[in-house]
Amino acid sequence: QVRLKESGPGLVKPSETLSLTCVVSGYSISSGYYWGWIRQPPGKGLEWIASSYHSGSPLYNPSLNSRATISLDTSKNQFSLKLSSVTAADTAVYYCARAPGDSSGLTDAFDIWGQGTTVTVSS
Amino acid sequence: EIVMTQSPATLSVSPGERATLSCRASQSVSSNLAWYQQKPGQAPRLLIYGASTRATGIPARFSGSGSGTEFTLTISSLQSEDFALYYCQQYNNWPPLTFGGGTKVEIK
Repeated sequence: QVRLKESGPGLVKPSETLSLTCVVSGYSISSGYYWGWIRQPPGKGLEWIASSYHSGSPLYNPSLNSRATISLDTSKNQFSLKLSSVTAADTAVYYCARAPGDSSGLTDAFDIWGQGTTVTVSS
Repeated sequence: EIVMTQSPATLSVSPGERATLSCRASQSVSSNLAWYQQKPGQAPRLLIYGASTRATGIPARFSGSGSGTEFTLTISSLQSEDFALYYCQQYNNWPPLTFGGGTKVEIK
């Protein structure tokens, strides 16, 4: 059974960098699929942040103005998100998820999600 | 960026009745459209992909239809566990991947 689990600090100060990790069990991230991050501000909808294929270039939401960096660590079977220069607007539940795809692109929707981790940006 | 618009924002339905949720894309997404269900405090769960294919383990009362810019999620006979938030998402043209604003299905 494939499982994803997010971890990271629950509180980040404004202007600092938010760092999250998603540990994957039951499937090797180097075997395929896109691995990504989605967030949900309190009481609001879902926003895609970034996704990466194990052998391709990451893709990002332009709305984040190049503040996001996603990276895959195949040796640890996990992937991470860094979001720089955070503000209160980055307060959200952050989910990691996988989506089918290949080197040409996504072929389907996010089929497995982590439980989510809450990040609050506050001094 | 493809904008996804869901309607209505809230749908009040009695248990056992049919619920019809709509999702419109600002440009064609072919059949590359998914529906998710989200309950309070939980992660979204994939219900439908490819506009009309049920994900593994999803009951047959959930069905999806449409292509291009107009899509519908139908729940044929609402059960108590179906009262939740529902989101559509396109994966035809990205980045960015985009979600609709959601429809809340509540008990009438």
